[in-house]
Amino acid sequence: TQLLEQSPQFLSIQEGENLTVYCNSSSVFSSLQWYRQEPGEGPVLLVTVVTGGEVKKLKRLTFQFGDARKDSSLHITAAQPGDTGLYLCAGAVSSGAQKLVFGQGTRLTINP
Amino acid sequence: ETGVTQSPTHLIKTRGQQVTLRCSSQSGHNTVSWYQQALGQGPQFIFQYYREEENGRGNFPPRFSGLQFPNYSSELNVNALELDDSALYLCASTGGGRGPGETQYFGPGTRLLVL
Repeated sequence: TQLLEQSPQFLSIQEGENLTVYCNSSSVFSSLQWYRQEPGEGPVLLVTVVTGGEVKKLKRLTFQFGDARKDSSLHITAAQPGDTGLYLCAGAVSSGAQKLVFGQGTRLTINP
Repeated sequence: ETGVTQSPTHLIKTRGQQVTLRCSSQSGHNTVSWYQQALGQGPQFIFQYYREEENGRGNFPPRFSGLQFPNYSSELNVNALELDDSALYLCASTGGGRGPGETQYFGPGTRLLVL
């Protein structure tokens, strides 16, 4: 059974600070996706990383896929209150069905 | 807006009852996956339908069943509801490609409360 451990589960910081969220597994994934979920809504895709060692940037967000494709990180620079939300990492498993294995999520609060 | 719609948005049932949740996939998408998200947890894969056939199943009992219709919309049925079935139920559609970067587009979910 593939598991994704996401840390920290809760993070509350001041506006302007930097932060990193980690997503770790002992399993290899064909790709890893990061989602953001607002209350009462479904997850919205932020980025997909496919190649080991891949780094992608989305404005102030930097996503990295581990060399062995088992772990990933999300780094936010100069966090803003609008970054507040639930961040989920999800590993893609291709065994018949293309299913996603999700981490528990990181509840991020950015205080003004 | 992902183009994936779900109904109803909220539902309250009692233990032992049965429930049907509905999902309309994004136009052109032939694959629908269902996930259960308990409060404070990440979503868990229930099953996937591809061209009207079940194409994979997670660790959920047989009382969780589904259907996919010729227009690729889908239903999730849960029989003999238990309190632990209270959760947000999400459906996600994809184009059915097998590439590693295939994106799943999620609907807003149905919030089910079992009393």
